[in-house]
Amino acid sequence: GAVVSQHPSRVICKSGTSVKIECRSLDFQATTMFWYRQFPKQSLMLMATSNEGSKATYEQGVEKDKFLINHASLTLSTLTVTSAHPEDSSFYICSAGPAGVYNEQFFGPGTRLTVL
Amino acid sequence: AQSVTQPDIHITVSEGASLELRCNYSYGATPYLFWYVQSPGQGLQLLLKYFSGDTLVQGIKGFEAEFKRSQSSFNLRKPSVHWSDAAEYFCAVGAYSGNTPLVFGKGTRLSVIA
Repeated sequence: GAVVSQHPSRVICKSGTSVKIECRSLDFQATTMFWYRQFPKQSLMLMATSNEGSKATYEQGVEKDKFLINHASLTLSTLTVTSAHPEDSSFYICSAGPAGVYNEQFFGPGTRLTVL
Repeated sequence: AQSVTQPDIHITVSEGASLELRCNYSYGATPYLFWYVQSPGQGLQLLLKYFSGDTLVQGIKGFEAEFKRSQSSFNLRKPSVHWSDAAEYFCAVGAYSGNTPLVFGKGTRLSVIA
């Protein structure tokens, strides 16, 4: 199957700093990527849809100025958590799928963000 | 509204016993259904998927799931559980076609006892 990578896998930062998380499709092109957040012992919640060459679409309740998404190429989407606070600590997972009829999504391994 | 319900938050089974994890969905279009497993601190691993054809699908690690349209269900089963199966299991639904995100259930935590 197709491979999606994320970097870094784990990051610890101080409150008030910004953190960038990269999501890459390694062997296919993705015009759309999805960003999910997972709090401890909870399910994955969709944060936003990243669209190559255009603005991201955010789910209700997700602050677009806090979670900046850039999908500059067909293989890379970045999520920047700006002015991070302890409540932003979470597991962030991206997914992407090759263009085609069937909706096959492949998930990255996730990024564990801890804000001190 | 699109939703996935996993009624059981936590299930404990004995090693060697059979397992069934329940999943019900509500989806406005033809559903594309998945089961994922997640170990603590890890990403998602796809166990199996259904989008058409035979309603009984086989997955990895000896898991299978049956799609029942009339019941809007996609229950996951395994005839004999191993201690290594202890993990969190998520059911998800997506559109049959098009590049759309998945909607996840809240998950079922499986514990396996000796």
